[in-house]
Amino acid sequence: EVQLVESGGRLVQPGESLRLSCAASGFTFSSFSMNWVRQAPGKGLEWVSYISSSSSTIYYADSVKGRFTISRDNAVLYLQMNSLRAEDTAVYFCARRGTVLTLFDYWGQGTLVTVSS
Amino acid sequence: QTLVTQEPSFSVSPGGTVTLTCGLTSGSVSTTFSPTWYQQPPGQPPRPLIYNTNTRSSGVPDRFSGSILGNKAALTITGAQADDESDYYCVLYMGGGLWVFGGGTKLTVL
Repeated sequence: EVQLVESGGRLVQPGESLRLSCAASGFTFSSFSMNWVRQAPGKGLEWVSYISSSSSTIYYADSVKGRFTISRDNAVLYLQMNSLRAEDTAVYFCARRGTVLTLFDYWGQGTLVTVSS
Repeated sequence: QTLVTQEPSFSVSPGGTVTLTCGLTSGSVSTTFSPTWYQQPPGQPPRPLIYNTNTRSSGVPDRFSGSILGNKAALTITGAQADDESDYYCVLYMGGGLWVFGGGTKLTVL
């Protein structure tokens, strides 16, 4: 059974850093591209970042470019978030990319990041 | 910046048919964008319903279907059921490593 379990979310102050993790199991992690998608409280989904299976290709949304860094190692996906802002407050989901570019076929339950003073 | 548009809310009667759409503020949606639809019940992560315009994800009943209608992607639910009440999101691949979600449609079944 495919499982994705996010962790690391908590309350932080503006300007601080945080690293999220997503532990993957039930599939060959090294064969799949992965994504981070976030959802601000009561709002819609926003794609954040993509990393290919080999880490050779990485993309970011403009809203986080230069502040967030996606990476992967063994069966864990990471999101290093620096210079956090209030507008980064959201539930962060990791999602596996399936056979099609836009198919995020498995999602974790999400981890809540709150940026507030 | 091109945005992906969806109806903020929609209502359907039990057993009825509803079509949700996914458009662009500039231009037309085509299969090139690989439109994909997700259902997100309250408090849960999204789950894929339709990908690549019209392919149902595993386990999705055939009363969910996808298409291109005019200049938009469309998700049609035929024979709506109470547990279809949910938020629905489309996502498009814009190219150049950019995925954009629509704002979502809150579907009410009553």
